[in-house]
Amino acid sequence: KNQVEQSPQSLIILEGKNCTLQCNYTVSPFSNLRWYKQDTGRGPVSLTIMTFSENTKSNGRYTATLDADTKQSSLHITASQLSDSASYICVVSGGQAGTALIFGKGTTLSVSS
Amino acid sequence: DSGVTQTPKHLITATGQRVTLRCSPRSGDLSVYWYQQSLDQGLQFLIQYYNGEERAKGNILERFSAQQFPDLHSELNLSSLELGDSALYFCASSGSGGTGNTIYFGEGSWLTVV
Repeated sequence: KNQVEQSPQSLIILEGKNCTLQCNYTVSPFSNLRWYKQDTGRGPVSLTIMTFSENTKSNGRYTATLDADTKQSSLHITASQLSDSASYICVVSGGQAGTALIFGKGTTLSVSS
Repeated sequence: DSGVTQTPKHLITATGQRVTLRCSPRSGDLSVYWYQQSLDQGLQFLIQYYNGEERAKGNILERFSAQQFPDLHSELNLSSLELGDSALYFCASSGSGGTGNTIYFGEGSWLTVV
């Protein structure tokens, strides 16, 4: 079964600290992996998208990594800011139909001062 | 601003009623997606259209239907509404129906069924 599992479910960190969010998937065949940031009650905003051949992709203070062999991805946030408080969603594209987007349930990050 | 416009932003209706949610994709985008997000739940894929044709179907109930019009805007129709249908409904668009393009989400339509 195609699944995307994210951990931790929630995380609280102090402003200025770094953190890493994890995403494990069982989607096959794999097409690409995306990370989205979703503020409460708002639409998700794309952070990164990586294909099979990409190991790392950065977007400002956000760096995503992908290990297609172990089917794991991580999102590293550097020097966190209060505005980073949001839900971070891992989305894997693939599956038998080739176009399915399978969403993780997200990690809720709270950055406190 | 993602460029994807959804209306209405908020909607309150009674059980058994029918509502229509509207979505205008980003200019030039041919593919439209609909998602449902219930409280404390992840995004659930409902359906995708590409240039007017249904491309993929997810966990969409038979009481729900959607279409994409020649001008590429899309509507999601929800009928015989139940309390459990209360959720945030997102529309998203991308340039093609393929899997490699960035998908842009609208701000959502909050539906409350009472």
